[in-house]
Amino acid sequence: RKEVEQDPGPFNVPEGATVAFNCTYSNSASQSFFWYRQDCRKEPKLLMSVYSSGNEDGRFTAQLNRASQYISLLIRDSKLSDSATYLCVVRTGGFKTIFGAGTRLFVKA
Amino acid sequence: DAGVIQSPRHEVTEMGQEVTLRCKPISGHNSLFWYRQTMMRGLELLIYFNNNVPIDDSGMPEDRFSAKMPNASFSTLKIQPSEPRDSAVYFCASAESDTQYFGPGTRLTVL
Repeated sequence: RKEVEQDPGPFNVPEGATVAFNCTYSNSASQSFFWYRQDCRKEPKLLMSVYSSGNEDGRFTAQLNRASQYISLLIRDSKLSDSATYLCVVRTGGFKTIFGAGTRLFVKA
Repeated sequence: DAGVIQSPRHEVTEMGQEVTLRCKPISGHNSLFWYRQTMMRGLELLIYFNNNVPIDDSGMPEDRFSAKMPNASFSTLKIQPSEPRDSAVYFCASAESDTQYFGPGTRLTVL
């Protein structure tokens, strides 16, 4: 079993749709959680951190469920510019960081 | 403010040659990470440094790979000898806390 698992997609959604991604992790001792975004042939960039209480940034909402060991990302009112690969990231002790394989999103006009 | 700088951006070499990838982290960041990304394996952490000291190199695939960080503003990842299966995009990232900032990557092709 992979340490961090994501549905690779692709998710094809129309503009304005709401889309949700889930990510599961295997190490119950994991400490920090993030969503990164990667555009084609570009470097990953931090989208948002994920806190136990959940957090929201504009159209994006991230949630953490420690009991079930998964994190989620919800995107509301999808824009064409949201088309990218979304990477789930889990940090264990120290700075050891594990990236999921990513979920591809295509937003269509 | 300059971000993470990597060089070269592209490298094409022949099997058996030595390859050196370079990274300049963001000034003031005390952690540095080397990653490799391929279609098959995704983004893999190779090694990370904290205050110039290697903390965990368990992701380094084999002895052909080595990384150094002689000072806070420079790191290298060396592959000697290179093999076709090393072809990938190699990213360097730096951080001062939770957020990692990635460089643009070096696209390596080993023929």
